[in-house]
Amino acid sequence: SQKIEQNSEALNIQEGKTATLTCNYTNYSPAYLQWYRQDPGRGPVFLLLIRENEKEKRKERLKVTFDTTLKQSLFHITASQPADSATYLCALDMSYSGGGADGLTFGKGTHLIIQP
Amino acid sequence: NAGVMQNPRHLVRRRGQEARLRCSPMKGHSHVYWYRQLPEEGLKFMVYLQKENIIDESGMPKERFSAEFPKEGPSILRIQQVVRGDSAAYFCASSTNRDSGNTIYFGEGSWLTVV
Repeated sequence: SQKIEQNSEALNIQEGKTATLTCNYTNYSPAYLQWYRQDPGRGPVFLLLIRENEKEKRKERLKVTFDTTLKQSLFHITASQPADSATYLCALDMSYSGGGADGLTFGKGTHLIIQP
Repeated sequence: NAGVMQNPRHLVRRRGQEARLRCSPMKGHSHVYWYRQLPEEGLKFMVYLQKENIIDESGMPKERFSAEFPKEGPSILRIQQVVRGDSAAYFCASSTNRDSGNTIYFGEGSWLTVV
């Protein structure tokens, strides 16, 4: 079955620097990959989606890359701010690659802390 | 527009009781998903429903758990004879359709505590 690995250790970044989070997966590549933000006690909030034929996607201070050869996605937050502190989840959709159920497969998330 | 609405936000049940979690999707959304998040674990897909139909329940435990999405009213996730291991956050999400790359929107979750 598909496994997703995100760094379980909290990531501490100085305010103003670029934060880079990693999502690695095993087995076959998904049709697309999504990144979500989750704050304590709240539901996940969709941030960005990147398809298997796309290398990079940007949205304001966010950038996502997708390397199907390395089976890896990188999530970047530039000019980071304390308000960016949260847990960031990577999610894969396997449905259109014949990979399985209709739901998304989520990683456990990486806790990002932006220090002032 | 109201987002995905879940209630109750917090629910405490004794072992052996039943838990009912409700989810009203976003306006215009006819696809509903339930996910469970255990402490220190990632979100796990449970079930995908459309109105009056269960499309995929491959993530549902075989016993005690059931879900429905009736023609009228919210989607219901029902857990019978709860055990301590059922304590978790249960998230509902909805979307307009099931096209590839379609964004799903999550509710704020229902936190179930079994004592």
